[in-house]
Amino acid sequence: QLQLQESGPGLVKTSETLSLTCTVSGGSISSSSYYWGWLRQTPGKGLEWIGSVYYSGSPYYNPSLRSRVTFLVDTSKNQFSLKLSSVTAADTAVYYCARHVGGSGGYFDLWGRGTLVTVSS
Amino acid sequence: QSVLTQPPSVSAAPGQKVTISCSGSSSNIENNYLSWYQQLPGTAPKLLIYENNKRPSGIPDRFSGSKSGTSATLGITGLQTGDEADYYCGTWDSSLSAGVFGGGTKLTVL
Repeated sequence: QLQLQESGPGLVKTSETLSLTCTVSGGSISSSSYYWGWLRQTPGKGLEWIGSVYYSGSPYYNPSLRSRVTFLVDTSKNQFSLKLSSVTAADTAVYYCARHVGGSGGYFDLWGRGTLVTVSS
Repeated sequence: QSVLTQPPSVSAAPGQKVTISCSGSSSNIENNYLSWYQQLPGTAPKLLIYENNKRPSGIPDRFSGSKSGTSATLGITGLQTGDEADYYCGTWDSSLSAGVFGGGTKLTVL
């Protein structure tokens, strides 16, 4: 059974870079059938898609966050990661990684448990 | 504020049927597949319906999805107390070039 697990600091200072890693277990991240996505959830803005990436690269980002987001994939560790720069309090959220079926227009069929990231000075 | 519009809450008695609506536009719902997610308290969202009306393995047929034009509906029959959760619709918006979601609907089983 494939599982995803987010990891990273739970507290990030304002203006710094938020870094999270998603470790995939029980299956290979190098499957040609899937993208791998990041999403976040806040009480105010609800669910927000941050972007998705293929195992070989080729990320695509939410245009609203594109200037601050970078995805990396490490197939040797079966991991993919998110970096969000210049964070503010508005980036405080529960961050999820998920398997993305079908790319744009697709759906998220497996999710990690989520990790709360608080941005504070 | 969300691109897709859902009612904030719905409620019904155990054993009854409930529907949750999701409204959008031609740039999202009308021309792209829609999915539905169930989020139980304190947990991650879980895929309930994909490609408008398909259920993943393990999802009971009490859950159904439909789509017409710029709107979609999630139906739940034979309500159980364990169905109390937040439900979200999601799709791709071709104009925004982004995945988008509804604001979520809280289901209460009275």
